[in-house]
Parts: sequence; structure tokens; C-alpha cells
Amino acid sequence: NAGVTQTPKFQVLKTGQSMTLQCAQDMNHEYMSWYRQDPGMGLRLIHYSVGAGITDQGEVPNGYNVSRSTTEDFPLRLLSAAPSQTSVYFCASVAVGLNTEAFFGQGTRLTVV
Amino acid sequence: DAKTTQPPSMDCAEGRAANLPCNHSTISGNEYVYWYRQIHSQGPQYIIHGLKNNETNEMASLIITEDRKSSTLILPHATLRDTAVYYCIVRVVGGSSYKLIFGSGTRLLVRP
Repeated sequence: NAGVTQTPKFQVLKTGQSMTLQCAQDMNHEYMSWYRQDPGMGLRLIHYSVGAGITDQGEVPNGYNVSRSTTEDFPLRLLSAAPSQTSVYFCASVAVGLNTEAFFGQGTRLTVV
Repeated sequence: DAKTTQPPSMDCAEGRAANLPCNHSTISGNEYVYWYRQIHSQGPQYIIHGLKNNETNEMASLIITEDRKSSTLILPHATLRDTAVYYCIVRVVGGSSYKLIFGSGTRLLVRP
């Protein structure tokens, strides 16, 4: 049971490049989400999904796309990277139901130059 | 989801209790109080949560006031490994909303 796995751990992109941050969970959780964390700040919600085929926007969705074709995977796509997207990205998953806790991945540190 | 207010930083001596306060004066009746912590730049880690009764687990205790407008996370015997940023979050449990809205948290420094 690996929990929530994010890849890659580190990435450097040039402005305008695209890439996909991967997130996978093996706990059969219905709810998954992506956050970004800028230096000295709390986490901000980018996108979330309440199940396969269903996604919605969070607080800061601009510049990011997501899809949820399976319960296990929730990739985050940057179509045209900008320096403002330099941040640490965290993926989380939660089992739907009462009294549930969120499990977070270890993060992807992205630098856009 | 209700907003929370936490002091930006606190410190305590190793072996002593760390009491981290949180104000959530606009909390609704169906919103739970959750606490997470983030050590260095790792992913946040769940600590404890509660609705209106005090809660205790192997990591911490959570004291919620009777009017539910504030709460305190207690680490009974803080160690150096408890140095982290602690986030207090209130959210509705159940239905289709599982969003966690993070504030800036409290940076706890445990001194040797």
C-alpha cells in the first residue's frame, strides 16, 4: 500500500513548455485534488475530482487542466508553463464518507525559468 | 467553508505541552474542525479532527469550546520532531464537498 504517489519529485521547465504532473493512489479513494504551495504560504486548491469522469475547479485553476479517467490516477497538466507557476505541487486523496482524513503525496517541486 | 485564524508562530520547550489555538467564529453546525501539520516541505499529515466533543488520539488532543467558535490542539509532550507548520481547517464532512481550504497556519518551533 503506497498511499499517494507523485512523480516527478523535481522538474525544471522553460517558459512555454508543457508537462504533466502525475498522481496515483492505491486506496480506492473517490475524491482527489491538486494543491500548489508557494514559499511561506499555505496550500491553495487548484482542481479536484469527486470520482472518475468528474472534475471541478478550485481556488486557482487558471493555467492548469485535469482529467480523471480512472479512480487511481489524477494527472495535472500545464499547457504552457509560466514563471508564476513555479511552486510545490501536492496531490491528495480522500475516501468519501464521514470522518475521513486526506492523504497527501510528497510533492513535486516545479521551477519554470 | 468557514475561515480560521491562527497565530503565525509559537514556540515551546521540548518535553512541555504545546497548545496551538485556532479561531473559527463563523463555523456552521455541520462543519468539523481538522488539524494537519507540515514538516519541512513534506506533504501535510493528518493529526486529528472533531465536531463538538473533545478528542484524543496517539498524536494529540483537540479541545473545542462549547460554542465551537475556537479550538486548541494540544501536543502533550512536544519533541523536536514536532517542529512544523500546523493548519487548522474547518469543513463540511459528507455530501460531495471534501475540499480542504488551508490558511497560513502556525509555525511551531520546539526548542531543545
